[in-house]
Amino acid sequence: NAGVTQTPKFQVLKTGQSMTLQCAQDMNHNSMYWYRQDPGMGLRLIYYSASEGTTDKGEVPNGYNVSRLNKREFSLRLESAAPSQTSVYFCASSESTLMGGYHQPQHFGDGTRLSIL
Amino acid sequence: KNQVEQSPQSLIILEGKNCTLQCNYTVSPFSNLRWYKQDTGRGPVSLTIMTFSENTKSNGRYTATLDADTKQSSLHITASQLSDSASYICVVWENTGFQKLVFGTGTRLLVSP
Repeated sequence: NAGVTQTPKFQVLKTGQSMTLQCAQDMNHNSMYWYRQDPGMGLRLIYYSASEGTTDKGEVPNGYNVSRLNKREFSLRLESAAPSQTSVYFCASSESTLMGGYHQPQHFGDGTRLSIL
Repeated sequence: KNQVEQSPQSLIILEGKNCTLQCNYTVSPFSNLRWYKQDTGRGPVSLTIMTFSENTKSNGRYTATLDADTKQSSLHITASQLSDSASYICVVWENTGFQKLVFGTGTRLLVSP
């Protein structure tokens, strides 16, 4: 039962470098999300994909781009890394946004710990 | 600004004891509230969801309550175990659009033997 798999688990970058964080889910979920988690702050939504073929900005999209490669995969790219982007990044997925009047739970990966020097 | 405030920030209890974590929110319009458990180094895992019409919901040793009038929720843990050591995050869904979730900063619980 893999669920949501994120790679890499850890990464150190220099300012200005670029990289892509990978995320894949095996639950056949329609919706996928990227969050960042910083000390003393709640999780903040960077980008989301309601369904395959669509992506939208969340609360803190600046400095990031995303690609919904297919139904399973949703990647996050940092084009020119900055120290302010040092954080733990979580990918999540959910079956849909709404079902039976209940907000569907999001299933999270174990995160990518990214340090930018 | 819609907010979710959790208290206490951190808590240490002895194994076998009970504890209650608090979540106050100002999110409006409110749809539902979910509690997540986040083990160190792992992603959050859903424990329970509360809609505005529900007052109490249990999941094993976890019992969540909701008072939509005062905009308060609590998570009560009974007979704590070492494996309960984690951060507990309260998340409120603002009913204005797609996935408008407001996350609390969490309560870090340490259960000591």
